[in-house]
Amino acid sequence: DTGVSQNPRHKITKRGQNVTFRCDPISEHNRLYWYRQTLGQGPEFLTYFQNEAQLEKSRLLSDRFSAERPKGSFSTLEIQRTEQGDSAMYLCASSSLTAPASGANVLTFGAGSRLTVL
Amino acid sequence: QKEVEQNSGPLSVPEGAIASLNCTYSDRGSQSFFWYRQYSGKSPELIMFIYSNGDKEDGRFTAQLNKASQYVSLLIRDSQPSDSATYLCAVRVSFGAGTTVTVRA
Repeated sequence: DTGVSQNPRHKITKRGQNVTFRCDPISEHNRLYWYRQTLGQGPEFLTYFQNEAQLEKSRLLSDRFSAERPKGSFSTLEIQRTEQGDSAMYLCASSSLTAPASGANVLTFGAGSRLTVL
Repeated sequence: QKEVEQNSGPLSVPEGAIASLNCTYSDRGSQSFFWYRQYSGKSPELIMFIYSNGDKEDGRFTAQLNKASQYVSLLIRDSQPSDSATYLCAVRVSFGAGTTVTVRA
């Protein structure tokens, strides 16, 4: 297992364009999370899936953000009509709901996708 | 009020000293508490988790949980330069802003 994989690693786009990030979780993990992190701040929760169901979405998340996990495996995060304030590192993490209770819901993060909006 | 708050840093300690990190949370019903370490330019990685009141020790790290006070802490004993990083407290899916620790050789 190669861990959590995110693509692309870097994306530079112009304001108003749409961007999409992909996350491939650890294969046996059934939960998948998206976070956004800016310099000097902790990861900000965006949303999470259990299998293909989107169970929670941050109230702070703009309607321009949408995430999918159609087959319960990889996930995509799309940002429509990007704004300069969307510039950040987008982190994906996965966890196993069925891990022993002593280790349940421990997040394993990918390397992230850095978005720069010009 | 933020869901998870950490003591402001940065925190500078000499090598071999104890680094003490604090975290408070707002949701009294929270059940799972985590400490992650994030090196500059890297993603967070788990140090340890705690679910029950009291102390939990793992090597040089000790996590302490007090649900009545809604307080979680992390102690790093015998601090090493390699411990220099940002330490993130997480409660369920929410993270604090992190405390940056620098260990002086």
